Amino acid sequence: EAGVTQFPSHSVIEKGQTVTLRCDPISGHDNLYWYRRVMGKEIKFLLHFVKESKQDESGMPNNRFLAERTGGTYSTLKVQPAELEDSGVYFCASSQVPLANYGYTFGSGTRLTVV
Amino acid sequence: AQRVTQPEKLLSVFKGAPVELKCNYSYSGSPELFWYVQYSRQRLQLLLRHISRESIKGFTADLNKGETSFHLKKPFAQEEDSAMYYCALVYSGAGSYQLTFGKGTKLSVIP
Repeated sequence: EAGVTQFPSHSVIEKGQTVTLRCDPISGHDNLYWYRRVMGKEIKFLLHFVKESKQDESGMPNNRFLAERTGGTYSTLKVQPAELEDSGVYFCASSQVPLANYGYTFGSGTRLTVV
Repeated sequence: AQRVTQPEKLLSVFKGAPVELKCNYSYSGSPELFWYVQYSRQRLQLLLRHISRESIKGFTADLNKGETSFHLKKPFAQEEDSAMYYCALVYSGAGSYQLTFGKGTKLSVIP
């Protein structure tokens, strides 16, 4: 089975520009999560989709971040406008059941650099 | 608020030596804990979870509620164990289950 796919793997953009990250979960996984690791900090939760609905977006840092999940399949995370502090690695994960104690399957991540 | 602390940023051990990666947590509820591992140029992957009481690749971890710890141990380190290790706590918030991660420990096994 294909794993969780994220692209691009790397993105370098200028401050003020817009970037869109994409995540394709494992087929059949209703639950999709976004996390990010900012340099020197912990990996932190951003939000959780169940199918196309946002179950929990309590970790989204501010309104410059917009996540969508079209038709309950792939998800996009848009940052507009990007700021320097948005640099980091953005991870996507999916799971068949919502309980995290079964563990997620993570994607390889997108490394975002804002200059 | 919940928190996971991994006090060591980097841990270097010789091949064949015992390994202990420390993890302490702070959580008011009943804790569910994991260890994740990220090998070089690979994705983050689940190593083990405390509810399974399993041993994966020779690693074990025991939940100690009295000491609020979930240390990862292996009796004899191998070179292929070199990786980043993250301890994570399941947190139930806002109708969802999230993972709260520690900052990670980079394990380097010296041949």
